[in-house]
Amino acid sequence: ETGVTQTPRHLVMGMTNKKSLKCEQHLGHNAMYWYKQSAKKPLELMFVYNFKEQTENNSVPSRFSPECPNSSHLFLHLHTLQPEDSALYLCASSQDEGVGNSPLHFGNGTRLTVT
Amino acid sequence: GQNIDQPTEMTATEGAIVQINCTYQTSGFNGLFWYQQHAGEAPTFLSYNVLDGLEEKGRFSSFLSRSKGYSYLLLKELQMKDSASYLCAVMDSNYQLIWGAGTKLIIKP
Repeated sequence: ETGVTQTPRHLVMGMTNKKSLKCEQHLGHNAMYWYKQSAKKPLELMFVYNFKEQTENNSVPSRFSPECPNSSHLFLHLHTLQPEDSALYLCASSQDEGVGNSPLHFGNGTRLTVT
Repeated sequence: GQNIDQPTEMTATEGAIVQINCTYQTSGFNGLFWYQQHAGEAPTFLSYNVLDGLEEKGRFSSFLSRSKGYSYLLLKELQMKDSASYLCAVMDSNYQLIWGAGTKLIIKP
């Protein structure tokens, strides 16, 4: 039990589909994050929410749309994706954003394959 | 630009000691993190260094030299379960995390 739960674990979708990734944290943290992890590449920050407000959009294409209804839940809505979007999508939370010693707690990720 | 360098892959023997290095060039510094990620699982937090020196936590230790832009993670008494990727990340002056690509550690019996 990592304290951060992501569903689904695996997702295969066509380029015309619409799907959503879900993340829930049970740690009482104030900040939540979406990261993209591709093989042999550094983690790429996509979005940050602090107290439900988006504080970072790291030049992510509009085919990725985040939603944060409350401090415990985070969604990533996907539509008209490209094959190069295939990757592991990780959700994370931290007690606070922009604080030195506030480590990230990650979920197990959603392995996304775009066909 | 900002950059984190760490070896792509390392191999070590069960029971031995291994040192995973991380060098960084960032705009400012507000701490360095090490995470462990087993295949198909979440990265998990191992250590945080903000001052120079060695921090020890059981079999794992992390060292930082801010003047050299250098850190290492030292793993002692290696066990098969230590086979994983180890991620180095630096928090810059804007409190943004800059990530390395990770070091895949393979432990052989």
